[in-house]
Amino acid sequence: DIVMTQTPLSLSVTPGQPASISCKSSQSLLHSDGKTYLYWYLQKPGQPPQLLIYEVSNRFSGVPDRFSGSGSGTDFTLKISRVEAEDVGVYYCMQSIQLPWTFGQGTKVEIK
Amino acid sequence: EVQLVQSGAEVKKPGESLRISCKGSGYSFTSYWISWVRQMPGKGLEWMGRIDPSDSYTNYSPSFQGHVTISADKSISTAYLQWSSLKASDTAMYYCARPNSGYDSWGQGTLVTVSS
Repeated sequence: DIVMTQTPLSLSVTPGQPASISCKSSQSLLHSDGKTYLYWYLQKPGQPPQLLIYEVSNRFSGVPDRFSGSGSGTDFTLKISRVEAEDVGVYYCMQSIQLPWTFGQGTKVEIK
Repeated sequence: EVQLVQSGAEVKKPGESLRISCKGSGYSFTSYWISWVRQMPGKGLEWMGRIDPSDSYTNYSPSFQGHVTISADKSISTAYLQWSSLKASDTAMYYCARPNSGYDSWGQGTLVTVSS
């Protein structure tokens, strides 16, 4: 299985400040079709996960532009340019290049 | 509007069987796979497996293969996750999700509690 490793596992951020989460995969997520199958999800308290970013850097519909994704191969980053109170929750990266799909351990973001 | 609506919470005893459901609406059910994801209490997300509702072809994570069965009834746009013999360690929230350049739609979750 591809192992997805997120750092840090928790983050406390002052509103208005930036935040960054790293996700590293044990194998390249670049497919022969040219796409990289790396996704970011946010699970707010008491809710199912919601899609933020697909294929490394594409914001899903309705996702604020303060969220951005970058990276390639095995190293990826989710950045929040200015954290807001509604951004609290657990962030997960996920790969879908090789079965079984696998998630990172999650990064819990809280507001200071 | 795309919706995945899951069946309600269940409380079962070890050794009992169970089937939970996920009904899709607002889209062509046979055009998208359905995946199941487990979240144990206070823990992260685990991908269990998926089904193609058009032909019921399935893939399972090795971690879940042989312990759960994923099925679908395309006539009623519903996918299922079932156990023949529950264990206490199956206590978790279970989500269904639809992949469309990422899981763009999720069910609300079904909480399964297994306790003697």
